[in-house]
Amino acid sequence: EVQLVESGGGLVQPGGSLRLSCAASGFTFSRSWMHWVRQAPGKGLVWVSRINTDGSTISYADSVKGRFTISRDNAKNTLYLQMNRLRAEDTAVYYCARDKCSSASCYAGGNWFDPWGQGTLVTVSS
Amino acid sequence: SYELTQPPSVSVSPGQTARITCSGDALPKQYAYWYQQKPGQAPVLVIYKDSERPTGIPERFSGSSSGTTVTLTISGVQAEDEADFYCQSADSSGNLVIFGGGTKLTVL
Repeated sequence: EVQLVESGGGLVQPGGSLRLSCAASGFTFSRSWMHWVRQAPGKGLVWVSRINTDGSTISYADSVKGRFTISRDNAKNTLYLQMNRLRAEDTAVYYCARDKCSSASCYAGGNWFDPWGQGTLVTVSS
Repeated sequence: SYELTQPPSVSVSPGQTARITCSGDALPKQYAYWYQQKPGQAPVLVIYKDSERPTGIPERFSGSSSGTTVTLTISGVQAEDEADFYCQSADSSGNLVIFGGGTKLTVL
């Protein structure tokens, strides 16, 4: 069974840092692009970041660029999101998701998500 | 910045057909994908590449595309279909992943 399990969420003060992890199982992690998507309480889904199979291609939403860093460890089947200089507006459930894109389409907008993890809640508050 | 536009809400009675639209300028060039999210749960893919249905998704879910608008159709709506639905695509360059604002489907 394909499974993604996020961890690392919690309460952090504004300006603080947090590292999220996403443990993958049931598929060949090293062959899949991966993404982080977040959802503020009562709000919609917002894409955060993506990383290709070997970490050589990375993209971020403008709202997190320069503050968040996505990475992966294919030996550990784990995806990470390092979040620095956190703001109140970063408060959200953070989901990791496997990308089902294939080869060239991954670079041309053919990114789609299946499955998603259960999410981990990040709360930024003093 | 690029946006995908969905109606905030759609309401239908059980057994009727629900149609949820998603509009965006790049949709003639980029595929669209649809996700269903029930309260307290993670999103689930229900349609990919405009009109393909993943294994395990009921046949009453279908997708279509016409110009700058894609449509998720749920035929014979059941009470269990009540959820938020999100379309997702990319901008014309393919560099930006975008979600629509979401549509709350209410089964009356």
